[in-house]
Amino acid sequence: ETGVTQTPRHLVMGMTNKKSLKCEQHLGHNAMYWYKQSAKKPLELMFVYSLEERVENNSVPSRFSPECPNSSHLFLHLHTLQPEDSALYLCASSGDRDNSPLHFGNGTRLTVT
Amino acid sequence: AQSVAQPEDQVNVAEGNPLTVKCTYSVSGNPYLFWYVQYPNRGLQFLLKYITGDNLVKGSYGFEAEFNKSQTSFHLKKPSALVSDSALYFCAVSPRSNDYKLSFGAGTTVTVRA
Repeated sequence: ETGVTQTPRHLVMGMTNKKSLKCEQHLGHNAMYWYKQSAKKPLELMFVYSLEERVENNSVPSRFSPECPNSSHLFLHLHTLQPEDSALYLCASSGDRDNSPLHFGNGTRLTVT
Repeated sequence: AQSVAQPEDQVNVAEGNPLTVKCTYSVSGNPYLFWYVQYPNRGLQFLLKYITGDNLVKGSYGFEAEFNKSQTSFHLKKPSALVSDSALYFCAVSPRSNDYKLSFGAGTTVTVRA
């Protein structure tokens, strides 16, 4: 048990669908993150929330829309995705300090058809 | 902007032999440095970090890493590798600016053969 739970584990969606990824952390952390992991590439930071306020948005296309209703929950809303968006989407949480390690969930494997 | 380079896509070693996974970084000022490991179908797990002080950092599962400021390197090492160490390893760097800007390398796949 990692303390960070992501659902669903696998998702297949068409380009016209709307779906959401969910992340929940039970570690009492104040910061939550979405990362995109593609094979042979560095992890790409998508969004960061600190105390439910978005503090980082790395030029992510608007077809990805994050939501952080409280410090324990993080969502990634998806609509009109492209096949190149297929990847492993990882949620993470951490403490406030910049040397705090990230705690990752097991990810959602997304396939866009 | 900071960056991390892991020059080897793959490292293969025999069980019982020393294991080294290389990492170099670029960042403004003094860095925080991290190593993470990812097993198949799992998220990343924290192994160790360098903040300040002793250049040799010890972490989980018998791993250690050496910070070398002049060479801007932070290589991960284990004196005697196990088959269970086979996984994907990521190096990461953060500036000391408390702005959540942690940058990862592309990862190195380690295979330990019995």
